[in-house]
Amino acid sequence: NAGVMQNPRHLVRRRGQEARLRCSPMKGHSHVYWYRQLPEEGLKFMVYLQKENIIDESGMPKERFSAEFPKEGPSILRIQQVVRGDSAAYFCASSPGPGRPETQYFGPGTRLLVL
Amino acid sequence: SQKIEQNSEALNIQEGKTATLTCNYTNYSPAYLQWYRQDPGRGPVFLLLIRENEKEKRKERLKVTFDTTLKQSLFHITASQPADSATYLCALRETGTASKLTFGTGTRLQVTL
Repeated sequence: NAGVMQNPRHLVRRRGQEARLRCSPMKGHSHVYWYRQLPEEGLKFMVYLQKENIIDESGMPKERFSAEFPKEGPSILRIQQVVRGDSAAYFCASSPGPGRPETQYFGPGTRLLVL
Repeated sequence: SQKIEQNSEALNIQEGKTATLTCNYTNYSPAYLQWYRQDPGRGPVFLLLIRENEKEKRKERLKVTFDTTLKQSLFHITASQPADSATYLCALRETGTASKLTFGTGTRLQVTL
C-alpha cells in the first residue's frame, strides 16, 4: 500500500530556472491538493485538482505557478523563473474525493531551495 | 479577518501526563476540523477528524473536543510518551468550500522522561 509519493525530495534551483514537482496520489485516489509550507509558518493551500480538472486554485500565485493532473501520470506543480522567496517545502495530499471520507493523506514533501 | 491560532510556544510535559493542545479560530464556519501530526522533515499525518455537530472524538490515547460556541478545539494525549514528541497541526474545512484545508501554525510538543 504505497502512500502519496513526491519527487524529488530535495530540489535546488538558481534564480530564473524552472522547478517541476511531481506527486503520485495513493492508489484509488483521484483528488490531489498542493500546499506550501514556509519556514516557521503553517501549511498554505495552493490548488485542488481532479484528473484533468482544476477545481480550486484560489491559493496559487497569479504568475509563474501552474499545476496539472493529467489523465495518466502524476500531478505536476510547475514554478517558472523561480525567485528566492519560492524556497519552501511543497506538500501534496490526496483523497478519494469529498465526503468519501474527507481525510487528506500527505506525501513527504519536496524541499525547494532557490539560490 | 480569518485566523486559526495554536499556541506557538512549545509545550513541554513529563512522560505519563496528559498533553492538551488548543486550536482557536476566528471568522470561520467549519464543516469539520482535523488534527495532524508532523515530524521534522516529513509530511503531516492525519490523526482525528471531528465534525461541526460532534462534541468529542476518541482514538486510543487521543481525544478531540470541538466547541463551536467558543470556536475552539482541544486535542488531548493521555499517558504521553517521548514518542509523542512532534508538532501538532489543526486544520479546518469551511462549509461550502471544495475540501481545501486551512491550517494553524502548529504547536510543538516535547515529552520528557
